[in-house]
Amino acid sequence: DADVTQTPRNRITKTGKRIMLECSQTKGHDRMYWYRQDPGLGLRLIYYSFDVKDINKGEISDGYSVSRQAQAKFSLSLESAIPNQTALYFCATSDGGQGVGQPQHFGDGTRLSIL
Amino acid sequence: EDKVVQSPLSLVVHEGDTVTLNCSYEVTNFRSLLWYKQEKKAPTFLFMLTSSGIEKKSGRLSSILDKKELFSILNITATQTGDSAVYLCAVRLDFGGSQGNLIFGKGTKLSVKP
Repeated sequence: DADVTQTPRNRITKTGKRIMLECSQTKGHDRMYWYRQDPGLGLRLIYYSFDVKDINKGEISDGYSVSRQAQAKFSLSLESAIPNQTALYFCATSDGGQGVGQPQHFGDGTRLSIL
Repeated sequence: EDKVVQSPLSLVVHEGDTVTLNCSYEVTNFRSLLWYKQEKKAPTFLFMLTSSGIEKKSGRLSSILDKKELFSILNITATQTGDSAVYLCAVRLDFGGSQGNLIFGKGTKLSVKP
């Protein structure tokens, strides 16, 4: 089983719909992240959470919200989807701690298309 | 503004060639630099570099960091078709509430032809 699991893997929906993307992890990491990836733009951070009670906006949080339901679960919501939110979405996790830190580990992504 | 710039954006080589991918950065507080390989799905971690001049090596892949000139290179020797992927460079920040966050470059798409 994957350490970082994203659901759904693919989703097609219409403008104005509410969408939730789920992420769960079995790595026991305290930090979780949501990114979107667009062709030619690389990975951009939407939201991040250092623990259940700590949620922060990333570079491109407008139009998105998140919920950290438990240490292992971090969901991303689009309250009213719009076509320019069509992208590949990744969830990632990392261990906290001091020093130089640990690498982030990514899920397989959710491909979201908004018509 | 923090930024990470990778070059080239795309590269086509033949099996057996050696390639060098570049990553330069400008960030306010540097903690470490990471390289990832992305095939069709999740980016997978390759290396994390924190100190200048110390090469990290894994099989045919190696990487080195120059903190004075603010860049890193990723070398792949004797390339194989399985090396075809997008290679992502990311810099980890080290300040305030963003501590630990990654700033990604746009990636280099490597295509290795048989």
